[in-house]
Amino acid sequence: ETGVTQSPTHLIKTRGQQVTLRCSSQSGHNTVSWYQQALGQGPQFIFQYYREEENGRGNFPPRFSGLQFPNYSSELNVNALELDDSALYLCASSPGVSVSNTEAFFGQGTRLTVV
Amino acid sequence: AQRVTQPEKLLSVFKGAPVELKCNYSYSGSPELFWYVQYSRQRLQLLLRHISRESIKGFTADLNKGETSFHLKKPFAQEEDSAMYYCALSDYGGSQGNLIFGKGTKLSVKP
Repeated sequence: ETGVTQSPTHLIKTRGQQVTLRCSSQSGHNTVSWYQQALGQGPQFIFQYYREEENGRGNFPPRFSGLQFPNYSSELNVNALELDDSALYLCASSPGVSVSNTEAFFGQGTRLTVV
Repeated sequence: AQRVTQPEKLLSVFKGAPVELKCNYSYSGSPELFWYVQYSRQRLQLLLRHISRESIKGFTADLNKGETSFHLKKPFAQEEDSAMYYCALSDYGGSQGNLIFGKGTKLSVKP
């Protein structure tokens, strides 16, 4: 059983550019959530995908968008990057949307720096 | 608004001393609460959840709805407990299954 993997591990982008982050969910998991973790803060929920459909969204602007593929891997896209988008982006997968009987397994994260 | 508060950024104790990591929450419904831990150079992982009423690595946490708290406790700290601890709440609202995290408490256990 493989764990949650994210790519790339680090990247640097210029303000105004677009970025795509990728996540491979753990085997058997159909739910993927994305979080943004700024320095010194806890992870903040961006959105969740369940069986290729968005299943909930946090307080993030529309320039944060995502996709989930038939194999349940996922992408996070951020357009028009701003300096404040610099953060660690975490992906978490779980076997279902009911948190009461499932556990979210986190990836190592992608460190995005916007200059 | 749903919120998780961890008042201590850093907690430093000696090995063998009791540990209590504080967590308070604000939630309008019936919350589900969790503690996640991140050891050095490792990924964030679930430590325990209140509905399981379990003890993991000697840690326990009791949900106190009257005080809206979910403090994490361990009677005798070990050096390997040094890590970053996050309290989290499951927001069922319109976003089923997402987690609201506190800012975290760094626990340092000294020999």
